[in-house]
Amino acid sequence: NAGVMQNPRHLVRRRGQEARLRCSPMKGHSHVYWYRQLPEEGLKFMVYLQKENIIDESGMPKERFSAEFPKEGPSILRIQQVVRGDSAAYFCASCAAERADTQYFGPGTRLTVL
Amino acid sequence: GDSVTQMEGPVTLSEEAFLTINCTYTATGYPSLFWYVQYPGEGLQLLLKATKADDKGSNKGFEATYRKETTSFHLEKGSVQVSDSAVYFCALKTSNTGKLIFGQGTTLQVKP
Repeated sequence: NAGVMQNPRHLVRRRGQEARLRCSPMKGHSHVYWYRQLPEEGLKFMVYLQKENIIDESGMPKERFSAEFPKEGPSILRIQQVVRGDSAAYFCASCAAERADTQYFGPGTRLTVL
Repeated sequence: GDSVTQMEGPVTLSEEAFLTINCTYTATGYPSLFWYVQYPGEGLQLLLKATKADDKGSNKGFEATYRKETTSFHLEKGSVQVSDSAVYFCALKTSNTGKLIFGQGTTLQVKP
């Protein structure tokens, strides 16, 4: 299956720890989007990356959150010093081109902050 | 800014009933419109899409028509099944960076 892969699927962290979420796009896709789904809410855009570049980070909190998509390897969403309000499902999606209509979603990482 | 509004759920129907989930949007320009479905514990799957006014997207018995005059993209299915129970998200894609803007989701529960 060459779908979008995310790991881990479930992540538990204590307040103040770091959370690192990984996303491997579909084969041949070089565009990655990260979305966050808070409990009982829809998905909210966080950041859009191409290989080695952040294109749009308008949905990212200004502090503690960062994202990267290196030339080799998966895209990483990093949350430093997690707080309980960071508990959510984090989804990544990939597409083949900047204006491609269809984004393909991974299964998500469910982060729980104790 | 751009936004999507869906009817609130949960929607509970009996098997073989007719389904409508309302979706309206606000956007500048000419967005593409989508319906995604999320089954329990899974990620989102694209259900159908429409890229311009009067286009009809369809898949697995579901349909939605892009209505520019009413800024709507209502999801319909003539006869639902228990296996259709899921959360349905309406979304639009802006023309700039391609990010998706989602509605809040509508939970559908179909009872046998």
